[in-house]
Amino acid sequence: NAGVTQTPKFQVLKTGQSMTLQCAQDMNHNSMYWYRQDPGMGLRLIYYSASEGTTDKGEVPNGYNVSRLNKREFSLRLESAAPSQTSVYFCASRDRNSYEQYFGPGTRLTVT
Amino acid sequence: AQRVTQPEKLLSVFKGAPVELKCNYSYSGSPELFWYVQYSRQRLQLLLRHISRESIKGFTADLNKGETSFHLKKPFAQEEDSAMYYCALIGSEKLVFGKGTKLTVNP
Repeated sequence: NAGVTQTPKFQVLKTGQSMTLQCAQDMNHNSMYWYRQDPGMGLRLIYYSASEGTTDKGEVPNGYNVSRLNKREFSLRLESAAPSQTSVYFCASRDRNSYEQYFGPGTRLTVT
Repeated sequence: AQRVTQPEKLLSVFKGAPVELKCNYSYSGSPELFWYVQYSRQRLQLLLRHISRESIKGFTADLNKGETSFHLKKPFAQEEDSAMYYCALIGSEKLVFGKGTKLTVNP
């Protein structure tokens, strides 16, 4: 099992550009999450999906959209990137019968 | 409201010294608490959860409901323990993280 995978690993965008961060898990988990990690701020939840077909806002959803394409995949889209979105983005998944979240390796995004 | 507070951003100890990473929480109900660890440039991984009452890599954490705390302890720190540590609380569907404590164990 690959667990939770994320692409790309690194990305540099110019202000105003758009991009989609991809996340996939092969553990048949129902719930999936997107976090951003910033120095001194810890991990903050952007969006989550409790099951296929549903998505909900987290703590910092502004400037982002998500799609739960199927049970395996949960993508995060930045429509018009801003320097404030420079961060490390982590995807995670969880089985409904467990509280443990499994994290992907992260995507380091820089917006100039 | 659910809240996790880690009062120390940075913690530095010498190898062999005891270490305690503090975590306080706010939650109306019975909390489910965790410690996650992130080694340099790696993904976060679960270190331990309070309900299992286990010791992982020599670390333990006891839930103190009276003090609403879940401090992480290790009697003798090792250099490989240097990492970022996050305390987290599960509430309904979402995991709420503290801001993290960066632990450095000096030789």
